[in-house]
Order: sequence, then structure tokens, then C-alpha cells
Amino acid sequence: GEDVEQSLFLSVREGDSSVINCTYTDSSSTYLYWYKQEPGAGLQLLTYIFSNMDMKQDQRLTVLLNKKDKHLSLRIADTQTGDSAIYFCAETRNQGGKLIFGQGTELSVKP
Amino acid sequence: EPEVTQTPSHQVTQMGQEVILRCVPISNHLYFYWYRQILGQKVEFLVSFYNNEISEKSEIFDDQFSVERPDGSNFTLKIRSTKLEDSAMYFCASSLAGRGEQYFGPGTRLTVT
Repeated sequence: GEDVEQSLFLSVREGDSSVINCTYTDSSSTYLYWYKQEPGAGLQLLTYIFSNMDMKQDQRLTVLLNKKDKHLSLRIADTQTGDSAIYFCAETRNQGGKLIFGQGTELSVKP
Repeated sequence: EPEVTQTPSHQVTQMGQEVILRCVPISNHLYFYWYRQILGQKVEFLVSFYNNEISEKSEIFDDQFSVERPDGSNFTLKIRSTKLEDSAMYFCASSLAGRGEQYFGPGTRLTVT
């Protein structure tokens, strides 16, 4: 079946890089996403990658996709205290299709 | 920047009562979704809606749930007879036809007592 797994917690120092990892089981995944959720807020779409890509960079964010191992990662360069939030990995098979979410990784950035 | 809005932000209701959660998707989007997140658990898909009909629904979306697009801007989720286990954060999302990105609203926290 479809499943997405993430580690629950990550703690880094301000200025360091953060790497949040995600694994998924659905080999038919077409789009893979990273969402950010700050306390009391909704889900903010950070970035996404098509399954035919292996890397996407957007300012401080770098997404790496290893399709063979079904492994997705989000690297945040120069992590700031404002990056403290829960980060969700999600995948879908097709445009307009349902998103399957991981359980979220809580990123804590210490000054 | 256009955004998805949801009302109310928090709804408290008694078990057995009907609730309607409201969403205004981004105006030129054509796909609409409801998800829920029970405290401490994953965000779960409930239903997707396109061209005035349900395109997909999960096992959670049973006969107690219904969705409607009553006019050109609103998208609603109705729970006919709420149960304690319906307590959760409910998120609405929308996406543009032909694109993969889904944009989420801030959520409605539903508390069933």
C-alpha cells in the first residue's frame, strides 16, 4: 500500500544545514512535496519535485530524490530560528490526486 | 497573493449535531480537497472534488460526510451526526487544473464534546 515515513524530530544550531529525510513506498508516485506547518497554522507548500527529476534547488532549499531507493530529502541551508516548524513530506500519483502525507518532522533550531 | 480561506477557525459542537465547515478555494482553481489531522497523527485525505462531483474519497469519508460547492466560490464539508472521534483539524485545499501543487487553508479545528 501507500505509505510515507519520516523521522519525528531534528534539532540543529542556527546557521547549520538541516536535512530532513522521507521514504515512500508507492513506485507510481509522480509528484513529491514538502510542506511546512508552523504552530497553529495551516500547511504551507514549500517546494515539490517531479519524479523524473533528481534534484531541485530553490534559494535555501534543496530537494534530492533517489527514485530507486524511494528516498526524498529536504536540505535547508543556513537554518534560521524562523525555520522551526513541522515539515511534512507528501506524494501523489497524479495531478489532482490525493496527497499521502508522512507524519511530519519537527525541526527545532537553537540559537 | 491568493490564498485558501476557511471558516470558522474553531468549532465546538455536541456529539450527534450536524456541522458545516466552509472553505473558499483560490478563485481560478478547479480541484478541491478536504483533509483532516487528528491531534498527533498524520494528515489524512478525505475527499477530492472536480467538475461538481466527487472524484475520489477515502474509507473515512462515509455516509456521515458530504461535500458541496453551493456557488461559484464556496466549498463545504458537512458532517451529519458528529462523533467524538471526528474531533480533528480539517484542512481544505485547492489546485489548478493540470498542475500538481495543492494549496491549503489554515484549517478549522473541530471539537466534538
